Amino acid sequence: AQKITQTQPGMFVQEKEAVTLDCTYDTSDQSYGLFWYKQPSSGEMIFLIYQGSYDEQNATEGRYSLNFQKARKSANLVISASQLGDSAMYFCAMREVYNKLIFGAGTRLAVHP
Amino acid sequence: GAGVSQTPSNKVTEKGKYVELRCDPISGHTALYWYRQSLGQGPEFLIYFQGTGAADDSGLPNDRFFAVRPEGSVSTLKIQRTERGDSAMYLCASSPGLAGIQETQYFGPGTRLLVL
Repeated sequence: AQKITQTQPGMFVQEKEAVTLDCTYDTSDQSYGLFWYKQPSSGEMIFLIYQGSYDEQNATEGRYSLNFQKARKSANLVISASQLGDSAMYFCAMREVYNKLIFGAGTRLAVHP
Repeated sequence: GAGVSQTPSNKVTEKGKYVELRCDPISGHTALYWYRQSLGQGPEFLIYFQGTGAADDSGLPNDRFFAVRPEGSVSTLKIQRTERGDSAMYLCASSPGLAGIQETQYFGPGTRLLVL
């Protein structure tokens, strides 16, 4: 069965520092997509970045990059130059052939000034 | 352009009552999804529409839950005989529906349901 594991319930980072949020996944499919979403306290899920299983290069979107290690089944999110507004819940999710997303339990990130 | 909208933003009801939650997807998006998020957990899939039809309803927990999308745009999630365990955030998402692993789902602000 497909599964997403986020082992860090909470993380702290100093403003302007980089932080890595861990995500491992389990799937028997060869074709899948990995997504990261941010959820502020308001509740809305905000799409951050996508990585396809066949993509040879790590995805990057501004200050977000995805450290994709296919053999280890990990897709860690790296946020560079953290800002106070980055404080939120972060969810890793996977999508296989069917359209639903499977989410992990999330990591709460707190950025300190 | 306008994003996904959901109404109401908050709903308080009593155990045993019927509730309807509405989702208005991004214009032109044929795919629509409902998820439920309990406190401290990630969202869990409920149902997926492609156009007017429910392509996958495997996540609906029981027959008290039902969703419709009669004209292929707005969707309504209906919960009968609500129970306290139904209290959660209900999230709606939409995507263009062109299929493909890479298609991003865009979420609405959610409806917080509290069953007393």
